[in-house]
Order: sequence, then C-alpha cells, then structure tokens
Amino acid sequence: NAGVTQTPKFQVLKTGQSMTLQCAQDMNHEYMSWYRQDPGMGLRLIHYSVGAGITDQGEVPNGYNVSRSTTEDFPLRLLSAAPSQTSVYFCASSYRDGNTIYFGEGSWLTVV
Amino acid sequence: AQKVTQAQTEISVVEKEDVTLDCVYETRDTTYYLFWYKQPPSGELVFLIRRNSFDEQNEISGRYSWNFQKSTSSFNFTITASQVVDSAVYFCALTEGGDSSYKLIFGSGTRLLVRP
Repeated sequence: NAGVTQTPKFQVLKTGQSMTLQCAQDMNHEYMSWYRQDPGMGLRLIHYSVGAGITDQGEVPNGYNVSRSTTEDFPLRLLSAAPSQTSVYFCASSYRDGNTIYFGEGSWLTVV
Repeated sequence: AQKVTQAQTEISVVEKEDVTLDCVYETRDTTYYLFWYKQPPSGELVFLIRRNSFDEQNEISGRYSWNFQKSTSSFNFTITASQVVDSAVYFCALTEGGDSSYKLIFGSGTRLLVRP
C-alpha cells in the first residue's frame, strides 16, 4: 500500500517552461487536492476533485490546470512556469467523510 | 470566512519543558473539523489529530494533549516533557462539514525548536 505518491520530488524549471506534477493514490479515495506551501503562509488549496471527471478551483488556482480521468491519478500542470510558482507542492486524498486526509511527501519546485 | 490563526511564529524551549501551541479559528458553520499536523525538517506532513465540532472533550495521546474550547474558538496543542525530536513546524487546520469536509484551511504554522 503506497498511499499518496508524488513525482518528481525536486524540479528546477526555467521561466516559461511547462511541466506536470504527478499524484497517484491507491486507496480508492474519492477526494484529491493540490496545495502549495510558501514560507510563513501555511498550505493553500490550488485545485481539488471530488471524483473522476470532476475538478474545481481552490484558493490559488491561477497558472495551474488539473484533470481527473481516473480515481487514482490527479496531475497538476504548470503551463508556463513563473518564479512566483516556486513553492513546495503537496497532493492530498481522502474518502468523502474527510476523516483522515493523507498527504504525499511533497514536490519542491524552483522556477528560475 | 473561514480562518485559522497561529499567532506564535516560533517557539524555542529546552528539552523536558512543556510547551503549548495556540490555534484560534473562525467559521460560520456549526459542523466543522479541526486538525493538527506536524512537519519535521524532512518536509512531510504527519497527521496528529482530527476533532469534530461536537466533541469538546480534551484528548491525550502520550506526551501530546489537545484542548478544544468552542467558547473561545481555540484548539490548543500541548507537548509535555518536550524532546529534541519534537522540533518541527506544527500546523493547525480547519475543514467544514458536508461536501467541504476534505478542504483544509491551514494556519501559518508554528516552528518549535527544542534545544538539548
């Protein structure tokens, strides 16, 4: 049982490049989310999904796209990276009751 | 609007001291959930506790205890006899009930340094 798996763990991008952060969970959770963590600000919700084929915006969605074609996977796409997107990204998943929200180990992204 | 405030940015204690981390929240809902997470220097988020708004009983788990007071909208976390391994950033978080039960609203975190 792998839990929530994020890849890559570290990535350096140049401004304007695109990339996808991968997130997969093997617990058959309905809900999946992406957060970003910036110094002194805690974690903020970027996008979330309540099930396959359904996504919605969180608090800070600009510059990011998501899709949920399967229950297991929830990739986060940066279409044109900007230095302001330098952050640590966390993927999370849970059952509908939100009783326990599982986090991946984080992805450290630097945009230069 | 929902909000979580952790006013203590950083706390430094000597090993074996007791330390309390404060958390104050704001929400309009009567059904909500409160969480504490630990983020050690390695960076992962470790779940510590989830408490629903209808359960005001204090909880103790080993050296950890939590004091939930709806009257003051607080959910404080105390570590008794702190250890160096407790050094981490601690986050308090809030979710609302129903369809929003999975959307966490985090405080800004409190960095705890336990010195030997």
